[in-house]
Amino acid sequence: QTVVTQEPSFSVSPGGTVTLTCGLTSGSVSTSYYPSWYQQTPGQPPRTLMYSTNIRSSGVPDRFSGSILGNRAALTITGAQADDESHYYCVIYMGRGVRVFGGGTKLTVL
Amino acid sequence: EVQLVESGGGLMQPGESLRLSCAASGFTVSDKYMSWVRQAPGKGLEWVSVLHNGGSTDYADFVKGRFTISRDESKNTLYLQMNSLRAEDTAVYYCARDGDWNQIEYWGLGTLVTVSS
Repeated sequence: QTVVTQEPSFSVSPGGTVTLTCGLTSGSVSTSYYPSWYQQTPGQPPRTLMYSTNIRSSGVPDRFSGSILGNRAALTITGAQADDESHYYCVIYMGRGVRVFGGGTKLTVL
Repeated sequence: EVQLVESGGGLMQPGESLRLSCAASGFTVSDKYMSWVRQAPGKGLEWVSVLHNGGSTDYADFVKGRFTISRDESKNTLYLQMNSLRAEDTAVYYCARDGDWNQIEYWGLGTLVTVSS
């Protein structure tokens, strides 16, 4: 069974930089898994931020970037803003539309 | 403009059945992979099922044998038939459409299913 791990919580100061990561309990995350990232604020549906490792969805500001760091996928926010305070979910693509979501990271901007 | 509108949620008792609908507009559901993703209250997102454009399906282990995903091309609508409901099926169920890079590109607003005696 594939388990995707994420930091449960992170904190960043306004204007600061933060990197959220996403890994596998067994194995490494690579571009072959087409890692994607979704942002969700309470009471709202998820919003697609990043896909295929580092492609920003339409309308996503360029302060968001994606990469592979070592054996993990990463989402970096450079110049964090107050409205970046959200939950962030990483998804690993297993093929044929099957996906595994990470547990999510709650990002606090303060 | 792509839109996904879910309906059919409600309060159910354990063991009962329910069918969720997802009315799509702006594209044809049979052209894309379509999924259901759920979120229990206060918890994270969880992939449930996918219907491939070719008509084949996949399910998460925790719903396999109980839930069935399908579509009606004449209504451009995706469905999720949920049988033998359990308390742990309580969640907001989101309809989702894949993009061209194996991502979920579009999300509906979700419909709440509550299973409680």
